[in-house]
Amino acid sequence: RKEVEQDPGPFNVPEGATVAFNCTYSNSASQSFFWYRQDCRKEPKLLMSVYSSGNEDGRFTAQLNRASQYISLLIRDSKLSDSATYLCVVGYQKVTFGTGTKLQVIP
Amino acid sequence: DTEVTQTPKHLVMGMTNKKSLKCEQHMGHRAMYWYKQKAKKPPELMFVYSYEKLSINESVPSRFSPECPNSSLLNLHLHALQPEDSALYLCASSQDPPGGPYEQYFGPGTRLTVT
Repeated sequence: RKEVEQDPGPFNVPEGATVAFNCTYSNSASQSFFWYRQDCRKEPKLLMSVYSSGNEDGRFTAQLNRASQYISLLIRDSKLSDSATYLCVVGYQKVTFGTGTKLQVIP
Repeated sequence: DTEVTQTPKHLVMGMTNKKSLKCEQHMGHRAMYWYKQKAKKPPELMFVYSYEKLSINESVPSRFSPECPNSSLLNLHLHALQPEDSALYLCASSQDPPGGPYEQYFGPGTRLTVT
């Protein structure tokens, strides 16, 4: 089993839709969790950290489920500018990147 | 300011050349990282510096040689590279060494082509 797994997609959704991504991790001792977005040929940019209590930033909501060892990202009211690859990152002694989920928001 | 800068943006080098990539951050971060990213793949960790000391080397070939002259600067010296080393090289920094719940901030990367 990979350390961090994501559905590669692509997820093709219309503008205004709600879309959710999951990411599973294998190390139960993991203690830090993040979502990054990466546009084509650009660097990863931090989208949000994921806390045990969950957190929300505008249209984005992240959740952590330690019992089932996954984190999720929910994007509401999708915009064209949300089109990107979303990388799940899990940390213990070092961080491990998931392979990323590609999102394409269609007009 | 969450800026990490990298130079050069693009680099083309032959297999016998020696070149260096540079990275700088002024956020007071004490951990700095080098990653390699191939197309359609996630970043792969190469090296981690913590308080200016090399703390992680992910079995990277010796043709890649990292250096941390001070807490703000990170270099990656390249020598005798192979065409398969062509990739985007990303530098990142974080507030504290690995193991903590601290976000990493990435520079824009150096796109390296080895001919």
